[in-house]
Amino acid sequence: AQSVTQPDIHITVSEGASLELRCNYSYGATPYLFWYVQSPGQGLQLLLKYFSGDTLVQGIKGFEAEFKRSQSSFNLRKPSVHWSDAAEYFCAVVASGGSYIPTFGRGTSLIVHP
Amino acid sequence: GAGVSQSPRYKVAKRGQDVALRCDPISGHVSLFWYQQALGQGPEFLTYFQNEAQLDKSGLPSDRFFAERPEGSVSTLKIQRTQQEDSAVYLCASSLRGLAGTFADTQYFGPGTRLTVL
Repeated sequence: AQSVTQPDIHITVSEGASLELRCNYSYGATPYLFWYVQSPGQGLQLLLKYFSGDTLVQGIKGFEAEFKRSQSSFNLRKPSVHWSDAAEYFCAVVASGGSYIPTFGRGTSLIVHP
Repeated sequence: GAGVSQSPRYKVAKRGQDVALRCDPISGHVSLFWYQQALGQGPEFLTYFQNEAQLDKSGLPSDRFFAERPEGSVSTLKIQRTQQEDSAVYLCASSLRGLAGTFADTQYFGPGTRLTVL
């Protein structure tokens, strides 16, 4: 079965600084990978997803993520963080080969200082 | 509205009470998922519907949990004889296509129902 690790529970950055949120997965083949954002009291919103092809994926709100097979990682990045980016971020994996059930990481809480 | 809606947004139940949580998916969406999100954790899959058919209920934690989607649109998650460990946010999500395309489709999440069992 697949699993997802988000090693950072909290990340604090200053507004305007760059951001990288880590995600590592465990799965025998190349999975399908997702990043979601959850603002307080809101449901999850998809930021970006990777299925195949170009390993650098562009998403909404200026986010991007890079799939690195050798490191089993799918880290989320943003070059300049805005205060409105403060939220909970979840990495998720779906096993390839016809599955449809995502396994989510426990999330990383992003705090943005002015 | 255009998005997924859930009601109630907050529910407080005494241990042993039955509760019913409602999900209104986006109109026309074939797939509907229920997730349970414990405090400080990511969502965990509970069950999946393709139209009115419940194709997967492998994530339901016990036989106290029951879900239905009788007309292929609105879904209800029912929890009988609630226990304190049932306290969580229950998320509903819908996506456009059925099973064959579900992994590729964007899931649209509702705001969730926060259940607190005293």
